[in-house]
Amino acid sequence: DAKTTQPPSMDCAEGRAANLPCNHSTISGNEYVYWYRQIHSQGPQYIIHGLKNNETNEMASLIITEDRKSSTLILPHATLRDTAVYYCIVRVGAGGTSYGKLTFGQGTILTVHP
Amino acid sequence: DGGITQSPKYLFRKEGQNVTLSCEQNLNHDAMYWYRQDPGQGLRLIYYSQIVNDFQKGDIAEGYSVSREKKESFPLTVTSAQKNPTAFYLCASSIGPGDANEQFFGPGTRLTVL
Repeated sequence: DAKTTQPPSMDCAEGRAANLPCNHSTISGNEYVYWYRQIHSQGPQYIIHGLKNNETNEMASLIITEDRKSSTLILPHATLRDTAVYYCIVRVGAGGTSYGKLTFGQGTILTVHP
Repeated sequence: DGGITQSPKYLFRKEGQNVTLSCEQNLNHDAMYWYRQDPGQGLRLIYYSQIVNDFQKGDIAEGYSVSREKKESFPLTVTSAQKNPTAFYLCASSIGPGDANEQFFGPGTRLTVL
């Protein structure tokens, strides 16, 4: 499985953009990059995913470098409710023994302050 | 409303007792998953099921058992053989097991073994 590396914590001011980096230098060509977040004591919430193109939805934008070895999740206007642990995940490729598995690391604790 | 439900939210059991955690989804998803989360850690896959009447072991299946008799239900039994059962248990589902299908999580069950 491709491993991911994220900073353990980050701070952001309310209303500003939060840029969360993730390194996945061993990613394979058919593996997607997924982002989830988890607010304390709740189930993880899906945010966005992508293969090689940049993606945007109502929650966030995902920027993947051309070599796919790293990506950045952007929350354009962070609010206090965005305070959570953010997980960057690379999905196991199809045909593997853990088909569809999400491998969660320790993530980045994002704290949005007033 | 469509979604995934887990009950109860908090569960207490005595050491040596088996306990079954429920997970129900009305999203018409084929694939379902059970994860375990320990304090300050990411999620680890216990079992997953790609389709009714089929399931496979994840990374930490020892001491757990599952069944998938109905598409909407994927109960997890924590047996007395599980050495450290106290944890936060999360159930998830996806349309199918493929890489491009995001997983939706339930609210979780926090199990405490006394």
